Amino acid sequence: NAGVTQTPKFQVLKTGQSMTLQCAQDMNHNSMYWYRQDPGMGLRLIYYSASEGTTDKGEVPNGYNVSRLNKREFSLRLESAAPSQTSVYFCASSEVSAGYVADTQYFGPGTRLTVL
Amino acid sequence: AQSVTQLDSHVSVSEGTPVLLRCNYSSSYSPSLFWYVQHPNKGLQLLLKYTSAATLVKGINGFEAEFKKSETSFHLTKPSAHMSDAAEYFCVVSDRDTGFQKLVFGTGTRLLVSP
Repeated sequence: NAGVTQTPKFQVLKTGQSMTLQCAQDMNHNSMYWYRQDPGMGLRLIYYSASEGTTDKGEVPNGYNVSRLNKREFSLRLESAAPSQTSVYFCASSEVSAGYVADTQYFGPGTRLTVL
Repeated sequence: AQSVTQLDSHVSVSEGTPVLLRCNYSSSYSPSLFWYVQHPNKGLQLLLKYTSAATLVKGINGFEAEFKKSETSFHLTKPSAHMSDAAEYFCVVSDRDTGFQKLVFGTGTRLLVSP
């Protein structure tokens, strides 16, 4: 049971290049998330997928697109990378519980992206 | 919308002394609250979670947190720090304003432990 896996671990891009960050989970979770982490700002939600076949914008979606390929996989695409997108990107997943108790999110190890 | 404020960006302790990491929250309803820990160059790991069952929540590695509604606080404590506790700690609140529960993170507290 690997939990949440992310590829690649590190990436350097030039401004204007595109790339896709991959995420997969083997916990049969319904919901998946993409965050970015910047110094002094905690984690901010980029996009999320409440269930297979749905995606929604989070707090900072501009410059990104996502695809929920199937229940296991959720990818994040940068179409034209900018230096402001230099960050550490985390994928997470959670079950969907009934009621108002919040689900625990399980995080991947992160992708460190630098845009020159 | 819900929010959390972590009152200290850095906390320094000596090994064997108590740890206190402070967090205040803002929520228009009974919140779910979490503490996550992030060791250097690693992902985030859940320390503990409050879901209104008990106000004192025990987590992994000897950490615990107490939910105080009157003070809107959820401070993280540990009686005796260990060198391996050096990490960044995030206080997190669940936001369900849009009908789907999302997590809102504080800005983090870096815990430094000296021998």
